[in-house]
Amino acid sequence: GAGVSQTPSNKVTEKGKYVELRCDPISGHTALYWYRQSLGQGPEFLIYFQGTGAADDSGLPNDRFFAVRPEGSVSTLKIQRTERGDSAVYLCASSLSRPGTTEAFFGQGTRLTVV
Amino acid sequence: AQSVTQPDIHITVSEGASLELRCNYSYGATPYLFWYVQSPGQGLQLLLKYFSGDTLVQGIKGFEAEFKRSQSSFNLRKPSVHWSDAAEYFCAVGAGYGGSQGNLIFGKGTKLSVKP
Repeated sequence: GAGVSQTPSNKVTEKGKYVELRCDPISGHTALYWYRQSLGQGPEFLIYFQGTGAADDSGLPNDRFFAVRPEGSVSTLKIQRTERGDSAVYLCASSLSRPGTTEAFFGQGTRLTVV
Repeated sequence: AQSVTQPDIHITVSEGASLELRCNYSYGATPYLFWYVQSPGQGLQLLLKYFSGDTLVQGIKGFEAEFKRSQSSFNLRKPSVHWSDAAEYFCAVGAGYGGSQGNLIFGKGTKLSVKP
């Protein structure tokens, strides 16, 4: 695609529910990243995929959060038993290859609101 | 632990005036440094990056930044601000994989307003 696409753009859910956030990276980009941006804060790293595997998941806050990328393209961030503190904008980015000198391109994010 | 500090939460400048946004970092090794811009409803866009070499780096939209190791700073500058530059600016340091853009640590951002 032309850019990183994230769906939905907005999601409102009730506390305790399960949500899935989708990221469609730029075609051909092998690296994919998820970040979370809370109000008034900079983005916070969650997880990085190289191909189908999670190369670094050190940013996932707890076991309610997990992400998959089964075919090395689209990724889904899954949040179980949502809490009000999970409300934030979830950003996805992709890059052509292993991070380093290649630029990461960000999507516009999914705004998650837990009520 | 690595960290990034952007001391100014909000800055207002007049159109045509010069701009400097401050960024200080804490990192044990040679840092990989980035500036991103985020406009309302838009994703983050990379303005420029520093990996090594010349400490003055040029970016898009007329921005530049200077790496000063002695001051642990990477300030962003623009000689003449345009109204379209109004946005939020984030400084970031690469924290993994030898400076990957995957595992970035961001500052809290500086919101720039431009007066006509």
